[in-house]
Amino acid sequence: DQQVKQNSPSLSVQEGRISILNCDYTNSMFDYFLWYKKYPAEGPTFLISISSIKDKNEDGRFTVFLNKSAKHLSLHIVPSQPGDSAVYFCAARKFGNEKLTFGTGTRLTIIP
Amino acid sequence: DTGVSQNPRHKITKRGQNVTFRCDPISEHNRLYWYRQTLGQGPEFLTYFQNEAQLEKSRLLSDRFSAERPKGSFSTLEIQRTEQGDSAMYLCASSMALSGNTIYFGEGSWLTVV
Repeated sequence: DQQVKQNSPSLSVQEGRISILNCDYTNSMFDYFLWYKKYPAEGPTFLISISSIKDKNEDGRFTVFLNKSAKHLSLHIVPSQPGDSAVYFCAARKFGNEKLTFGTGTRLTIIP
Repeated sequence: DTGVSQNPRHKITKRGQNVTFRCDPISEHNRLYWYRQTLGQGPEFLTYFQNEAQLEKSRLLSDRFSAERPKGSFSTLEIQRTEQGDSAMYLCASSMALSGNTIYFGEGSWLTVV
């Protein structure tokens, strides 16, 4: 049972444009969400997170939006840069539980 | 470098052999986690420690797997009698025990069982 879903395995975006990565979840007990970026043969690198009490969190070029009623979150990267090319994972956690549940990832390719 | 450190980075072993991975967390972090990632999948939770206490174990952690954190600092993950299905990247992560704390991952240890 895939509780966190990233339905787009890949996405290509022109450099300078906006990249939008999507994530859906099924478990209403999730209350904290994170995005990680991963290069090949490396561990995931934390990007940005959002608590369920918020609907938006921004950090530089990265913004995460949370729609609790739709159980959907998205990561916006603007402007996209070649160094953003990587696999992006969405992860979720339940209150009081340390386990992160990850999606299967979206491979983002920024085209120069 | 003050990040999460994992050793060895790569390990090739024959089926049936035992392997051990080590993780050194970020120094002030009291929580330590092990995850496993296979190709095309996201990381899957295996277990976590708060200080030296192992507080949760996934059903993925079969009897052949054991994790320890004897002094609440570094941790080891041992896999006994390895099988080809154990081939994966084993990821260690650490965090502080605070509300909304962020989990930071190491670079991972690749295991190939031949």
